[in-house]
Amino acid sequence: DSGVTQTPKHLITATGQRVTLRCSPRSGDLSVYWYQQSLDQGLQFLIQYYNGEERAKGNILERFSAQQFPDLHSELNLSSLELGDSALYFCASSVRGNDLANEKLFFGSGTQLSVL
Amino acid sequence: GIQVEQSPPDLILQEGANSTLRCNFSDSVNNLQWFHQNPWGQLINLFYIPSGTKQNGRLSATTVATERYSLLYISSSQTTDSGVYFCAVEQGNFNKFYFGSGTKLNVKP
Repeated sequence: DSGVTQTPKHLITATGQRVTLRCSPRSGDLSVYWYQQSLDQGLQFLIQYYNGEERAKGNILERFSAQQFPDLHSELNLSSLELGDSALYFCASSVRGNDLANEKLFFGSGTQLSVL
Repeated sequence: GIQVEQSPPDLILQEGANSTLRCNFSDSVNNLQWFHQNPWGQLINLFYIPSGTKQNGRLSATTVATERYSLLYISSSQTTDSGVYFCAVEQGNFNKFYFGSGTKLNVKP
């Protein structure tokens, strides 16, 4: 168990709908990262938050948004869903302090999103 | 962004065999990690190794930062080693980890 909790584990929805994925980082970790894993694209970095603030953005679509709350949990919102959004969405966390030593990423078990 | 290439893409081993997986990256990095994605999809952090050599049981990893590559060694492979192995790198303090496309390992009994 990595200590990173993601809910739900599975999500089935229809095109055009909106869903929210939730992530609770490991205790003490300030940074949360979101990744999308699809068969043809591998693991794609979406966005990162540190202590409530957005720190880095990757290949995140405008239909997607995220935030990190004061208790450090994070939510990824996916709207106007398309068939191509079907993928495994991972959240990861790290301490992300000033000392970069041992800045390991720890991943949750993922949310499998199926858009029908 | 930085390019990360892993080889081989696929590897089939007989139980007990040894293997070497390679990760090449196109620019200098300050953070490199190896992950194992098991058949159930879980991503497990194996090593944080921006440079040097580390060992953990039957697994070891070496990163030669000046030559921009890292190697993951698996000795006496077991069926539970099956899955996909990814390396991920980060440049500077940009907070973006770039993943390679992975090496899919199948260890047969």
